[in-house]
Amino acid sequence: DGGITQSPKYLFRKEGQNVTLSCEQNLNHDAMYWYRQDPGQGLRLIYYSQIVNDFQKGDIAEGYSVSREKKESFPLTVTSAQKNPTAFYLCASSIPSSSYRGSNQPQHFGDGTRLSIL
Amino acid sequence: AQKITQTQPGMFVQEKEAVTLDCTYDTSDPSYGLFWYKQPSSGEMIFLIYQGSYDQQNATEGRYSLNFQKARKSANLVISASQLGDSAMYFCAMREFNYGGSQGNLIFGKGTKLSVKP
Repeated sequence: DGGITQSPKYLFRKEGQNVTLSCEQNLNHDAMYWYRQDPGQGLRLIYYSQIVNDFQKGDIAEGYSVSREKKESFPLTVTSAQKNPTAFYLCASSIPSSSYRGSNQPQHFGDGTRLSIL
Repeated sequence: AQKITQTQPGMFVQEKEAVTLDCTYDTSDPSYGLFWYKQPSSGEMIFLIYQGSYDQQNATEGRYSLNFQKARKSANLVISASQLGDSAMYFCAMREFNYGGSQGNLIFGKGTKLSVKP
């Protein structure tokens, strides 16, 4: 079945440590996204990529980094510069929103990674 | 100013009754789309229904319908015949097709927690 796989489901970070969250999709989507969700809040966009080898900062990119070397993969690194990383992280993919064909297409989401500080 | 406002942090509904979840939006872009997602306690985001700004009729998908009032900038989700499995967080989101500064990305509200009582 096509879908988005995020791993791990739970992740713990020590002080000063970088951690990487994995996101893989087999939906053949060009666009991929990373969101952060805090308790009782909506989703906030961290980074997005409309095509391989290109990505853009979202609303809360500070303390995070990404890469997009393959169409299927969009890993997110939470760096030590992110002082409050405890949150639920969701990865999504879609047909690029910049195309008319993609304008009404929903984003498809993975099951999320819950990151906590040790 | 918030672009998506969901004024009901939490709601209760009796099983088998209908419930309306409110969503108002703010945009100057004449071309936009509105999405509703469901997030169960497990965390994944499930796409429910879409309404385009030029659509003449209100969208319907099974037990879900969208009460779209363009002049009032509201896009309320109606769930008919509520089931216990409908208990979840519900998020309204908007995509501005001419970007309006959001680069065509989804903008999410803070959500409404729906609890269905047996």
